[in-house]
Amino acid sequence: IVLTQSPDILSLSPGERATVSCRASQSVSDRNLAWYQHKPGQAPRLLIYGASNRATGIPDRFSGSGSGIEFTLTISSLEPEDFALYYCQQYGRLPYTFGQGTKVEIK
Amino acid sequence: QMQLQESGPGLVKPSETLSLACAVSGASLINSTYYWGWVRQPPGKGLEWIANIYYRGNTFYNPSLKSRVTISVDTSKRRLSLTLSAVTAADTAVYFCASSLRMGDDFWSGYDYWGQGILVTVSS
Repeated sequence: IVLTQSPDILSLSPGERATVSCRASQSVSDRNLAWYQHKPGQAPRLLIYGASNRATGIPDRFSGSGSGIEFTLTISSLEPEDFALYYCQQYGRLPYTFGQGTKVEIK
Repeated sequence: QMQLQESGPGLVKPSETLSLACAVSGASLINSTYYWGWVRQPPGKGLEWIANIYYRGNTFYNPSLKSRVTISVDTSKRRLSLTLSAVTAADTAVYFCASSLRMGDDFWSGYDYWGQGILVTVSS
């Protein structure tokens, strides 16, 4: 399953809303779709699993939605620490696959 | 709190075998509530899933690497391992070990714990 994220780069200011899309080439169970935040030199951080469940300790400004082939990660109000790379991942069908990543950068 | 820590050579010669270890603390490698995996990130590129292993020893591999890769666990050493044979420059990457937690029947969390990653360079 190929996951295509859009946009590749999102230029926003702190306090703005960020919306990242993830489109799958085939239907993905919403139980098996995750979102990660990744900063250079760090391990990826699980934000959302099962399409809409926040992982432990993740602030509620992060939310996930979607089903079928269209999924969305929303950051309701960007904090300075949220500027990073974001990846979606499907883990329902082998081989597990990641999207190409979306960079959320400071405008 | 679970912790994972990768170790291994930072430099491997082309055609040789890469062997990586991941020390696991805070959880049992044979606990049915987890599965374990490896993910890599080539320089300047995105994340690529490599392999998973479940508590009963079931293994699953990325077909693009399947003929060259082996994932295993050593419960006595509390260690997850990865071997990748016949490496080329295309295998240069940061390699991460990670774990996924069972949230319910056939419902998993995605990779919720990760090691910090280890950079492996393939070069003569």
